[in-house]
Amino acid sequence: QITLKESGPTLVKPTQTLTLTCSCSGFSLSTRGEGVGWIRQPPGKAPEWLALIYWDDDARYSPSLETRLTITKDTSKNQVVLTMTNMDPVDTATYYCVHRGYDDIWKTYRYDYWGQGTLVTVSS
Amino acid sequence: DMDMTQSPLSLPVTPGEPASISCRSSQNLLQSNGYNYLDWYLQKPGQSPQLLIYLGSNRASGVPDRFSGSGSGTDFTLKISRVEAEDVGIYYCMQALQTSITFGQGTRLEIK
Repeated sequence: QITLKESGPTLVKPTQTLTLTCSCSGFSLSTRGEGVGWIRQPPGKAPEWLALIYWDDDARYSPSLETRLTITKDTSKNQVVLTMTNMDPVDTATYYCVHRGYDDIWKTYRYDYWGQGTLVTVSS
Repeated sequence: DMDMTQSPLSLPVTPGEPASISCRSSQNLLQSNGYNYLDWYLQKPGQSPQLLIYLGSNRASGVPDRFSGSGSGTDFTLKISRVEAEDVGIYYCMQALQTSITFGQGTRLEIK
């Protein structure tokens, strides 16, 4: 059973750097085809994709936020870490980590399992 | 970014009645492999989004067969044959063609 759990600060100040950790179980980040992404959702709004990292350390970023984001993984802990610099109140959102797995039948990748999310508020 | 537009944004439904949600993408989601890269999610109150439909018309594991997805190219539809109280929440379509996935604005389904 695949599960993901986000952890990190619930409150950050403007201009600070946010660091979030996604602890994964039920799959290995070192297995070919596995990936984990981060998606955020401001209160009352639609989700927004942020970043993605694959088993081979291939990392992808949202073009509009690329300069502020870094995604890494620690395979020994089976964790994925997202850092976002220069936080602003508009970055207040629930941040989700999401499993991206490869479907051998359909030969495609899919976002299939979401963590419970962690609400991050940016305020002085 | 690819734009996704849903309608309606609010959908009041009587239990037992059908419901339909439309989603339109700004670019063609049908690829040469014959797959439409369009997924549907339901976000129940206080929960994370859960996958309902993938590749346009395939139900995810455990999804009741009253949910169905159809459409191709740029126009897609999610249908619920008979709405139940547990179907309340916000429905999102999502284009899965680009690595930078994007979501529709969401359709809030409520029970009359």
